[in-house]
Amino acid sequence: AQTVTQSQPEMSVQEAETVTLSCTYDTSESDYYLFWYKQPPSRQMILVIRQEAYKQQNATENRFSVNFQKAAKSFSLKISDSQLGDAAMYFCAYRSAVKAAGNKLTFGGGTRVLVKP
Amino acid sequence: DTEVTQTPKHLVMGMTNKKSLKCEQHMGHRAMYWYKQKAKKPPELMFVYSYEKLSINESVPSRFSPECPNSSLLNLHLHALQPEDSALYLCASSQSGPGNSPLHFGNGTRLTVT
Repeated sequence: AQTVTQSQPEMSVQEAETVTLSCTYDTSESDYYLFWYKQPPSRQMILVIRQEAYKQQNATENRFSVNFQKAAKSFSLKISDSQLGDAAMYFCAYRSAVKAAGNKLTFGGGTRVLVKP
Repeated sequence: DTEVTQTPKHLVMGMTNKKSLKCEQHMGHRAMYWYKQKAKKPPELMFVYSYEKLSINESVPSRFSPECPNSSLLNLHLHALQPEDSALYLCASSQSGPGNSPLHFGNGTRLTVT
């Protein structure tokens, strides 16, 4: 079974600065998908960014970018120019590309991001 | 505004009660999910429906009974729950095929079992 690990329970960043959240995963599969979700106090899980394992190019979405290191099984998220609205819990998630695995999404333990004004 | 609507937002029920959580989406998604989330923990998968058929049951106790009446609706029937079942219950939907299709989550139902 796949596991996802987020080693930083909490990260603090000054407004307008950059913070990087780490995520590692364990899998024997070669094809899969990785996601970062954000969960603010409003409770809704919101997709931040996604990465296909077969793509070498790192995904970017505005101020959010990832550093995908397939060999190291690492998938970190960088938040640039941090804003107060970025304060939330961030979850890294893994999804198999094997059809038999179904649509299961496995989450890491989460990292709480605090943004200081 | 969320595209996945969950009702009710909050629910308090006794251990002998029967209640239902409801989830609705109109994005044409054919996969729907129930997740359970305890405080300061990640969501844990409970059930997955694909094309209105149950495809994954993560060994959830029978006091939780899912139902997918049609492609837009997902219910979770609750009966004889325990206090430890108190949690945030999240519904999600996605396209059934592509693995990179993200899950769209609702705002959840905060359940308290007394």
